[in-house]
Amino acid sequence: QKEVEQNSGPLSVPEGAIASLNCTYSDRGSQSFFWYRQYSGKSPELIMFIYSNGDKEDGRFTAQLNKASQYVSLLIRDSQPSDSATYLCAVSGGGTYKYIFGTGTRLKVLA
Amino acid sequence: KAGVTQTPRYLIKTRGQQVTLSCSPISGHRSVSWYQQTPGQGLQFLFEYFSETQRNKGNFPGRFSGRQFSNSRSEMNVSTLELGDSALYLCASSLGPSPGGKNIQYFGAGTRLSVL
Repeated sequence: QKEVEQNSGPLSVPEGAIASLNCTYSDRGSQSFFWYRQYSGKSPELIMFIYSNGDKEDGRFTAQLNKASQYVSLLIRDSQPSDSATYLCAVSGGGTYKYIFGTGTRLKVLA
Repeated sequence: KAGVTQTPRYLIKTRGQQVTLSCSPISGHRSVSWYQQTPGQGLQFLFEYFSETQRNKGNFPGRFSGRQFSNSRSEMNVSTLELGDSALYLCASSLGPSPGGKNIQYFGAGTRLSVL
């Protein structure tokens, strides 16, 4: 079982729709969760972090964390073609305190 | 404030050679992590340095090594290059260890290494 799992996609959504990206993790001791966006040929860019159960909103982005079920999700409201990228989930604060990344979900927003 | 600076941006080497990559973290950041990114494997953790000490190490062979200097700049070295070492090497800096792993990592633009 991979430590951090994401569906590789591509996830295709029409412009203006809500994109929902999911991530599960195996280390129950994990405490910190991050979402990075990576455009093709570029480096990852942090868009959200969440530490507590529940929802955290920032503009069009909402991160949701459920530690009991060991999943974290990212919702993108009013998706735009410029949101088309790979979204990486990262988990930290477990036994080794390393960042563990998922392989990413490729999102395509169709104009 | 300048971001994370990685040099060089591109490298072409041949099998058997060695290579050194450099990373200058954001001013005030004392932790540097290195990752290898390939299309099939995603982001793989190489190692992390804090205050010139290696804190964590990923599952890579001993050909991959690194170090950190007193000014927090870091270098990683790959010896006896293999074709499979072709990848994007990313450096990320953060303030340093924090309880619960809450240190936020910021990435440099990366060094793209091609091994022929």
